[in-house]
Amino acid sequence: GQQLNQSPQSMFIQEGEDVSMNCTSSSIFNTWLWYKQDPGEGPVLLIALYKAGELTSNGRLTAQFGITRKDSFLNISASIPSDVGIYFCAGQLTSGGYQKVTFGTGTKLQVIP
Amino acid sequence: DAGVTQSPTHLIKTRGQQVTLRCSPKSGHDTVSWYQQALGQGPQFIFQYYEEEERQRGNFPDRFSGHQFPNYSSELNVNALLLGDSALYLCASSSIKGLIHFGPGTRLTVL
Repeated sequence: GQQLNQSPQSMFIQEGEDVSMNCTSSSIFNTWLWYKQDPGEGPVLLIALYKAGELTSNGRLTAQFGITRKDSFLNISASIPSDVGIYFCAGQLTSGGYQKVTFGTGTKLQVIP
Repeated sequence: DAGVTQSPTHLIKTRGQQVTLRCSPKSGHDTVSWYQQALGQGPQFIFQYYEEEERQRGNFPDRFSGHQFPNYSSELNVNALLLGDSALYLCASSSIKGLIHFGPGTRLTVL
């Protein structure tokens, strides 16, 4: 099945450092979403982006909807140990009145205390 | 306000068997989608139910079928299980054009 290209695949960072990850697609989406998934849990929505060029923050998280509508990035500032997990981008397309969500391949984040 | 709930949490089956997974959507949501997440991968869309009908389907064989009940809860059925069906099965609910919220998943292991 289709998945979005997400990078990096994994990263190790020191506590307190900033993190950046991005996602690209060959298709246009109406909405970009960023989720975090902890082991054994379902993905939890972090940020939703609705307009090309939109920059949205949620605490230490900042995400942007690319101008071309085919990419997005997520930044995490001043990382803490509980930021550990897998981060997924997702593109949502509304077609025929229904939405379909396509996920990225994930970025596994490890924070070293 | 309960979120999306799924049962069972874990399940072990053998090849050729059939399995049924269950999902109750978040309060106020009427649309249920099912995703398969293999280890190390992102979730893959299986299908979506709205008004008790399958509205969209991903690239999954007919062995995967589902149902939505009048109370918006849903079941995912998989027949003739294969080893490759081992995965985390995620249910997600939403209003028809709203953001999706995921349940904790059912871990299916096929031996």
